[in-house]
Amino acid sequence: KAGVTQTPRYLIKTRGQQVTLSCSPISGHRSVSWYQQTPGQGLQFLFEYFSETQRNKGNFPGRFSGRQFSNSRSEMNVSTLELGDSALYLCASSLDGATNGYTFGSGTRLTVV
Amino acid sequence: GQQVMQIPQYQHVQEGEDFTTYCNSSTTLSNIQWYKQRPGGHPVFLIQLVKSGEVKKQKRLTFQFGEAKKNSSLHITATQTTDVGTYFCAGPRGATNKLIFGTGTLLAVQP
Repeated sequence: KAGVTQTPRYLIKTRGQQVTLSCSPISGHRSVSWYQQTPGQGLQFLFEYFSETQRNKGNFPGRFSGRQFSNSRSEMNVSTLELGDSALYLCASSLDGATNGYTFGSGTRLTVV
Repeated sequence: GQQVMQIPQYQHVQEGEDFTTYCNSSTTLSNIQWYKQRPGGHPVFLIQLVKSGEVKKQKRLTFQFGEAKKNSSLHITATQTTDVGTYFCAGPRGATNKLIFGTGTLLAVQP
């Protein structure tokens, strides 16, 4: 079966711009979670969507937002980009959340200059 | 901040030596999951433990869940260069079970 697909793989943006990242989960998986990975902070939880509803949220500012569509595809948006937003953004899908293992996409490497 | 700590942060071993990473949570976990991330890659699910005191094996890897369901360990016997990567534990936290990852242990294996 197809894995988790994230697009784009790489992005370079300027401070102040906004960016939208996309994630297509495994077919049948209704839970999509987003993580930010940086060398200093490890894997930080951003949010989880389940059946088009945000079910969980991490400790990130309101500039970080997301949504999930009826086909379970998810997008996350970061507005007013800061240099510190440079990171690998990972999307993970699962059947129904943290009671099962997650399948991660390859990630989107965002660089803010 | 992180509520699931792992030690050590980094381990360098000679090929053939054993390796262990420990995971500690401040609260009881309903399950513990382990992931491996190769350099330049993304985390890959290895296993999930659910029961108190549970032990599971995958070839040279042995996973254990503590009796109090607050800690876990991953032991690799006779490491190989293919074992290189960062090993993360993860557990559900909060009322709605968001999956929180540990700080990770980076394993380097010298041939």
